[in-house]
Amino acid sequence: EDKVVQSPLSLVVHEGDTVTLNCSYEVTNFRSLLWYKQEKKAPTFLFMLTSSGIEKKSGRLSSILDKKELFSILNITATQTGDSAVYLCAPLGGTSYGKLTFGQGTILTVHP
Amino acid sequence: NAGVTQTPKFRILKIGQSMTLQCTQDMNHNYMYWYRQDPGMGLKLIYYSVGAGITDKGEVPNGYNVSRSTTEDFPLRLELAAPSQTSVYFCASNNRDTGELFFGEGSRLTVL
Repeated sequence: EDKVVQSPLSLVVHEGDTVTLNCSYEVTNFRSLLWYKQEKKAPTFLFMLTSSGIEKKSGRLSSILDKKELFSILNITATQTGDSAVYLCAPLGGTSYGKLTFGQGTILTVHP
Repeated sequence: NAGVTQTPKFRILKIGQSMTLQCTQDMNHNYMYWYRQDPGMGLKLIYYSVGAGITDKGEVPNGYNVSRSTTEDFPLRLELAAPSQTSVYFCASNNRDTGELFFGEGSRLTVL
């Protein structure tokens, strides 16, 4: 059975702190791993990672994948209150290579 | 540019009633998904489809059915509504090249 575990489940920090969110996975026929941010409504796309060891960056957010150890991390530097959200990871795989299963998410709260 | 359109946005059902949540996308995406999200919880995959005529079960398929007769449409059917199906339902389609998952606005379903 496919498994996606995110840690920590919740995190409270102050503005300016750096945070690291973890995602470990076990899925059949792994293709790629996706990160999303969810605030009040539907999740919004952050990154797709396909290759090990290649960092993807977007502003203060960056992410990397380790396909050998089956995990990914999402880093946020110089956090802002607008970063408060639930961060979700989702490996893509399955017998038809289309199954996208989300982890339970990490709730990040950034205080001023 | 409509993207992913879900209807209805809200619905109240009585136990034992049936209904269909409609989902349409106009981006010519092959991959489509149905998720449910209970309060404070992550997204659970109900069913997914990698193309017209092909559907697969996700993590929580019991009590639901889907069909995919066209690339654009991916309706979700609840046959005998139960209180445990009270949730917010999201339909999504996936751009396989970028990995970005496009979500509908969600349908809030209450079963009393």
